[in-house]
Amino acid sequence: EDKVVQSPLSLVVHEGDTVTLNCSYEVTNFRSLLWYKQEKKAPTFLFMLTSSGIEKKSGRLSSILDKKELFSILNITATQTGDSAVYLCAVLLLTGNQFYFGTGTSLTVIP
Amino acid sequence: GAGVSQTPSNKVTEKGKYVELRCDPISGHTALYWYRQSLGQGPEFLIYFQGTGAADDSGLPNDRFFAVRPEGSVSTLKIQRTERGDSAVYLCASSSDPSGANVLTFGAGSRLTVL
Repeated sequence: EDKVVQSPLSLVVHEGDTVTLNCSYEVTNFRSLLWYKQEKKAPTFLFMLTSSGIEKKSGRLSSILDKKELFSILNITATQTGDSAVYLCAVLLLTGNQFYFGTGTSLTVIP
Repeated sequence: GAGVSQTPSNKVTEKGKYVELRCDPISGHTALYWYRQSLGQGPEFLIYFQGTGAADDSGLPNDRFFAVRPEGSVSTLKIQRTERGDSAVYLCASSSDPSGANVLTFGAGSRLTVL
């Protein structure tokens, strides 16, 4: 059975800290991995990763994929209270069109 | 429209009632997905449309759930004889890639509460 596991489930940090969120997957026919940020309801897109070892970066956020070890990490440096959200990881397969989501990591950044 | 629009944003109903949830995707997006998200969980796939047809409905939990997209744009998720376990946020997403491999853009969701 295809599955996506995120860790930790929740995290509380202080402003300015750096955090690393993990997403591991066990799927057949991997196509791509996506990261989303969910603050209230609608998840908003952060990154799409398809190739190993190529870092995607946007401001203080960055992400990388390891297709050999089947995981991805999302790094956030110099965290701010506005980074508080649930971060979702999703995997898309080559076959079919389902995006399989993990349960998410709830990040709380306190001032 | 500019984004994915879902209505209603909140729906409270009684056990056994029928509900309809509507999704208006981004104009021109051919792929449309419905997901269900329970508290503390990630989105769970329900159904995927490519154009007017349901290309994959394997995520629908039982025959009380049904979805349509008659003209290839707006979609309606229909739930018959609602149960308390149906309470969740129902998310709709659309994509411009016919294969669905492009980034999903989500709506704000419809929160369903079954009393």
